[in-house]
Amino acid sequence: SAVISQKPSRDICQRGTSLTIQCQVDSQVTMMFWYRQQPGQSLTLIATANQGSEATYESGFVIDKFPISRPNLTFSTLTVSNMSPEDSSIYLCSVALDGYEQYFGPGTRLTVT
Amino acid sequence: GQNIDQPTEMTATEGAIVQINCTYQTSGFNGLFWYQQHAGEAPTFLSYNVLDGLEEKGRFSSFLSRSKGYSYLLLKELQMKDSASYLCAVRGNTGGFKTIFGAGTRLFVKA
Repeated sequence: SAVISQKPSRDICQRGTSLTIQCQVDSQVTMMFWYRQQPGQSLTLIATANQGSEATYESGFVIDKFPISRPNLTFSTLTVSNMSPEDSSIYLCSVALDGYEQYFGPGTRLTVT
Repeated sequence: GQNIDQPTEMTATEGAIVQINCTYQTSGFNGLFWYQQHAGEAPTFLSYNVLDGLEEKGRFSSFLSRSKGYSYLLLKELQMKDSASYLCAVRGNTGGFKTIFGAGTRLFVKA
């Protein structure tokens, strides 16, 4: 199994600012994913972040808006840039072990005013 | 492209059995997952199917038919704590083995 922590757990931010979310895993993992979950909705994949390569973004998500870092096998950051109220959501970090079971962090609840 | 369909909501009675269906269309297939998510919490893994057939784990079972693009999650002896959203998710075999989630089925268990 994997234990994942995220910082911050929640934040309220002003429109036009940026927030960086940190994800720390207690073991080395190759595959790491960032998801967004808006109220009452399911999870939407933002990007896949593998160490040693640039993140791969899903349709509708771009690097300028959601830059991702993956400096090592236990850590990643997601930045939500130039925020608008539409970015209000829960952002979840996830890892896949052995290409199989996927574990999720507790999430970061972001509110943009 | 990928598409995952599951019912939006279901209601069942404590002690009963409920089956949550999921149909999917994917460009590649490398496994189907079921997750449970309680309100305000992160999803937790329930089951994984990559071959056709039934996987049983305690009160929960999951079935897969790859030829039909169909899966179901079976919950037996329902308990009030089973009230949650159940997410069907499919992993492809390209693009970093990413997993795409369905919209989820909200299950309400009543006494």
